[in-house]
Amino acid sequence: DVKVTQSSRYLVKRTGEKVFLECVQDMDHENMFWYRQDPGLGLRLIYFSYDVKMKEKGDIPEGYSVSREKKERFSLILESASTNQTSMYLCASTIAGTYNEQFFGPGTRLTVL
Amino acid sequence: KNEVEQSPQNLTAQEGEFITINCSYSVGISALHWLQQHPGGGIVSLFMLSSGKKKHGRLIATINIQEKHSSLHITASHPRDSAVYICAINSGGGADGLTFGKGTHLIIQP
Repeated sequence: DVKVTQSSRYLVKRTGEKVFLECVQDMDHENMFWYRQDPGLGLRLIYFSYDVKMKEKGDIPEGYSVSREKKERFSLILESASTNQTSMYLCASTIAGTYNEQFFGPGTRLTVL
Repeated sequence: KNEVEQSPQNLTAQEGEFITINCSYSVGISALHWLQQHPGGGIVSLFMLSSGKKKHGRLIATINIQEKHSSLHITASHPRDSAVYICAINSGGGADGLTFGKGTHLIIQP
């Protein structure tokens, strides 16, 4: 059974803290993605990676960075958390190719106080 | 940038009704996805299509490339179908990530 896991379901942090959200997939997928989901705005792409150590900005990369040191793991980093980064964060992965089904993690609901 | 519009935003129906959710997009795509999200956040892929029609159980997805429009139909709806249904598109290659509609919140009442 394919699986994408995220390090936490719920996380509460304070403004200015450095926050790490981790995503691990066990499907040997090349492509990994970080999205955030907000009421009224839907899901939006923050960053994606198509290979180890490769990263590309998505639609809303400001305030975030990512790291992909191993194929199975893709980390989202909030260098200095702010209240407007309170959101649901979802990780997804897919195999390389023109288009393929994306597999989503369960999500991390982050609250920044 | 490709825009994805879904309608309706909210839909409440009685058990057994035929449900249709619509999705339109502004420029050409390589694939369109229908996703389901239950309360609690988990997202599951229902369909991925680039042409024609696909069916899985009581769910049917269609796409009209010329009209840039897709529909998701649910036949004989059931309360367990209550969820948010999200349309998403690949505009470029598979590594580029998805662009999402805002979702349709469906409630099926017994």
